[in-house]
This record gives sequence, C-alpha cells and structure tokens, in this order.
Amino acid sequence: EAQVTQNPRYLITVTGKKLTVTCSQNMNHEYMSWYRQDPGLGLRQIYYSMNVEVTDKGDVPEGYKVSRKEKRNFPLILESPSPNQTSLYFCASSLLSRTGELFFGEGSRLTVL
Amino acid sequence: GQQLNQSPQSMFIQEGEDVSMNCTSSSIFNTWLWYKQDPGEGPVLLIALYKAGELTSNGRLTAQFGITRKDSFLNISASIPSDVGIYFCAGWDYGGSQGNLIFGKGTKLSVKP
Repeated sequence: EAQVTQNPRYLITVTGKKLTVTCSQNMNHEYMSWYRQDPGLGLRQIYYSMNVEVTDKGDVPEGYKVSRKEKRNFPLILESPSPNQTSLYFCASSLLSRTGELFFGEGSRLTVL
Repeated sequence: GQQLNQSPQSMFIQEGEDVSMNCTSSSIFNTWLWYKQDPGEGPVLLIALYKAGELTSNGRLTAQFGITRKDSFLNISASIPSDVGIYFCAGWDYGGSQGNLIFGKGTKLSVKP
C-alpha cells in the first residue's frame, strides 16, 4: 500500500530536549516536505527536499533541521524544542513531475511543555 | 511570502445543498490544487488543475483554474454528511523559490443531515 509513515504520532516533551520525527515513503517520490498546522494559520511549510541531499527552507524553518540522506526518508529534527513548536506536523511526498500532488502522512501531534 | 485568500472560513449547510468556495491570490500560480482534510487525518488531494481556464470534475466536485491564474473555485453538488471536513486550496509557485506549495487557511464545512 502506498503510504507516508510518520513517527511518533503523538509526543509530549519538555523544552530543550532534542527530538526527531521520522518520515518514510514507499512510493519512490523525489519530493518530500514538512508542514505544520496550527489553528487559524492553516498549513505552513517548514522545509522541503527536491531529491537526495537537496533540501531548502520553507516559510517557517526557524528551530528545525532536516536531512535527506536516502530517497525514502526525510526526518524532521528539533534540536532544542520550545513551546511555540507545539503543533500538528505533517510530512508529505510527491513525484517531481507532479509536484503539488502531495501524499500526506497521518500527522504527528507534538506538545512541548 | 505569498498568501492565498480562501473563503469562506466556514460553512454550515443542509444535506443536499450545493457548496461553493474559492481562493484568490495577488500572484500568479502555475498549478492550483484542492485538498480535503478529515478530522484526525492528513489532507487528501481532491483535484489538481494545470491550465488557466481548466474546469475539472471528480464525482460531485468541480474545480476551475481561473483565467487570470490568480484564483480558483471548488463546487460540491448535493452535499452529504461525509463531505464534512476542512477544504484547502493550494497553489504551486514555480518562480523564485523552487518547490513551494502555498496553502490557503481552509474552509471548514459542516453538513446538517
């Protein structure tokens, strides 16, 4: 089954404790992206990657890091989480020839205390 | 950054009614897309539009890519309870930064049986 898998789905952590949200897709997609969703603000792009070893900032990259060492994986790293990073996070992927036609993961709800 | 103005923010309708929502931008987009998000899940692509003036249907859903390339609308005919959710428009920006998909803030649809 074609899917984008995120882990963990739910996480409560404390300020400053580094965490990684993993994202993996099994569709051989070149393009992958991370979004955060907050009430009243919709979906905002954090980082994206057009292919392996190619990443770029989205609209709200501050406080986040990503890496793309393999085509299927695109982890989101919060080196020192802060309460304003409490949010619902989505990973998504697509073919480069059909960018915009995103497949989304089920989301990871992160709470930073 | 670029913004999409999506309206209305929310709609409360009776089952069987038709629904219309739209999205406008001050910038030109090369691709317009419409997504639906069910509660607790990630967004799912409904319709993708690639040409100005294009009108595309997907079952009871019809979407159009505005001729000016700065707007799009989505219509849902004969709404049913499972149409409940948040509908997002999105525009793909090829100019300037690569790989930037901009989302509207969403239209929350409630359907009364």
